[in-house]
Amino acid sequence: AQTVTQSQPEMSVQEAETVTLSCTYDTSESDYYLFWYKQPPSRQMILVIRQEAYKQQNATENRFSVNFQKAAKSFSLKISDSQLGDAAMYFCAYRSAFNDMRFGAGTRLTVKP
Amino acid sequence: DAGVTQSPTHLIKTRGQHVTLRCSPISGHKSVSWYQQVLGQGPQFIFQYYEKEERGRGNFPDRFSARQFPNYSSELNVNALLLGDSALYLCASSLGAQTQYFGPGTRLLVL
Repeated sequence: AQTVTQSQPEMSVQEAETVTLSCTYDTSESDYYLFWYKQPPSRQMILVIRQEAYKQQNATENRFSVNFQKAAKSFSLKISDSQLGDAAMYFCAYRSAFNDMRFGAGTRLTVKP
Repeated sequence: DAGVTQSPTHLIKTRGQHVTLRCSPISGHKSVSWYQQVLGQGPQFIFQYYEKEERGRGNFPDRFSARQFPNYSSELNVNALLLGDSALYLCASSLGAQTQYFGPGTRLLVL
């Protein structure tokens, strides 16, 4: 069974600085997708970034980028120029074709002014 | 375009009662999935429907059931509610096998 592990329950970053959130996963499949979702106190789950496993190039969305290491089954999220609005729970998620999404336990990110 | 919508937003029930949660997917999306998120944890998969057929079921008891309608909206039903069913129930829709977009959730409290 696929599992997703986020080893950092909490992280803290100074405003305007860079922070990296870690995620590892376990799978025997070759075709899958990886996601980072943000969940603010409103608890609305918001998509941050997506990576297709077949793509070697790391995904980037403005200040958010990933470091996808397929052989190591690692998928970290880098947030550059952190803003107060980035404070939230961040969930790493895995999904293979037409299957359910598996989530990690989450990392709570605090941004200090 | 409207995102995924869920109703009701909040619900309070007592043990043993039944509850129905509703979800309308993004227009054009044919797949709907349901998740349960207990406070402090990541979402746990309950059901996935695609083209009105059940495509997957998580490790939840038979008290949980769901269905998808011809317009692709979906209902999640929970019978004989237990205190442990108190959670945020999230609905997500997708075009197919890729990105899931989540609704705001229904917060269920069982007393």
